[in-house]
Amino acid sequence: DTAVSQTPKYLVTQMGNDKSIKCEQNLGHDTMYWYKQDSKKFLKIMFSYNNKELIINETVPNRFSPKSPDKAHLNLHINSLELGDSAVYFCATGSYEGSPLHFGNGTRLTVT
Amino acid sequence: EDQVTQSPEALRLQEGESSSLNCSYTVSGLRGLFWYRQDPGKGPEFLFTLYSAGEEKEKERLKATLTKKESFLHITAPKPEDSATYLCAVQPGTQGGSEKLVFGKGTKLTVNP
Repeated sequence: DTAVSQTPKYLVTQMGNDKSIKCEQNLGHDTMYWYKQDSKKFLKIMFSYNNKELIINETVPNRFSPKSPDKAHLNLHINSLELGDSAVYFCATGSYEGSPLHFGNGTRLTVT
Repeated sequence: EDQVTQSPEALRLQEGESSSLNCSYTVSGLRGLFWYRQDPGKGPEFLFTLYSAGEEKEKERLKATLTKKESFLHITAPKPEDSATYLCAVQPGTQGGSEKLVFGKGTKLTVNP
């Protein structure tokens, strides 16, 4: 039973399209995150939510909009996709501030 | 600015050949340093958390140590299944910073049989 699951695993789309990535967790953790791993392999935080409230919003273009319908789900919607958005996007969860994060297996987004 | 630098970028070892990976960091008030393992096509998997200089943690063939400026991940008698990318991350102690981790680029370890 996967603890943090993301869908889809692969997403190939054209510039200008709008797409969503979904994340679900069954760990009962209060905090959920979106991280981006670019071609240089750096993992960088984009957003964090605690109990459905936005806590961190790093300098991410407002084409990216996270939505948390409930504590177990955090989705990422991306408008007007650009070539530079191509990356692997990871969802993660944490049970408390400073706790180890549990990551999903990522969504590889390719924008052509 | 909080920063994590890992070295080497890539490391090839023969099975049984022990070595160490380095993680040096600059951070505003370290709350914790984390080591993760990442296999191809997977998300990072938690290994250790270290909180203060002098602390050490062990798990099977891995031992993590921490000083005020760097951390080492020692791998003793590695096996091919230890091949992975090892990521180091720090948790800043600044207000509003403790909710996020700052990651290094990782060290890609290959252990040949």
